[in-house]
Amino acid sequence: AQSVTQPDIHITVSEGASLELRCNYSYGATPYLFWYVQSPGQGLQLLLKYFSGDTLVQGIKGFEAEFKRSQSSFNLRKPSVHWSDAAEYFCAVASGTYKYIFGTGTRLKVLA
Amino acid sequence: EPEVTQTPSHQVTQMGQEVILRCVPISNHLYFYWYRQILGQKVEFLVSFYNNEISEKSEIFDDQFSVERPDGSNFTLKIRSTKLEDSAMYFCASSLGGRSEKLFFGSGTQLSVL
Repeated sequence: AQSVTQPDIHITVSEGASLELRCNYSYGATPYLFWYVQSPGQGLQLLLKYFSGDTLVQGIKGFEAEFKRSQSSFNLRKPSVHWSDAAEYFCAVASGTYKYIFGTGTRLKVLA
Repeated sequence: EPEVTQTPSHQVTQMGQEVILRCVPISNHLYFYWYRQILGQKVEFLVSFYNNEISEKSEIFDDQFSVERPDGSNFTLKIRSTKLEDSAMYFCASSLGGRSEKLFFGSGTQLSVL
């Protein structure tokens, strides 16, 4: 069965430090992968997506993610975190045409 | 950027009561979805809707749930007889296309069943 695993429930980084959020997926075919961010009281906003081509994808707000088929991973990175990046981050895979499967999320805390 | 609008933002109801959660998807979108997020848990798929019918639904989406697109703009989720475990944040989403398309999410309706 398709699934998405985000092994880190909480991550704390200092402002200006680099960030990597982990995501592993289980999917039989070529996956369509997404990272969403949820700020408090808000809906989910798409940061970036991958479905073919270059395995390093760029997104909004300075985020990037790298698709590694051999590791079944799609980790999200940012070279320098800003306080406004504090939020919850969800990795997702499109399962079939209509359904997206989300991970459990990683809550990011940024220290001043 | 266009938005998906959900109303109300908060809904409190008594167990056994019916609730209707409302959504206005983005106007030119063709695919509509409901997801929910129980506090502290992951975002779960409930149902997808395309061409005026349900295209896929999860095990959660049992007979007490129904969806409707009553006119050209609204997309509703009805819970016929609410249970305590239905308490969650319910997100509506829409997309222009299918699998590879970006989902646009509303800001959610927090449903509390007492």
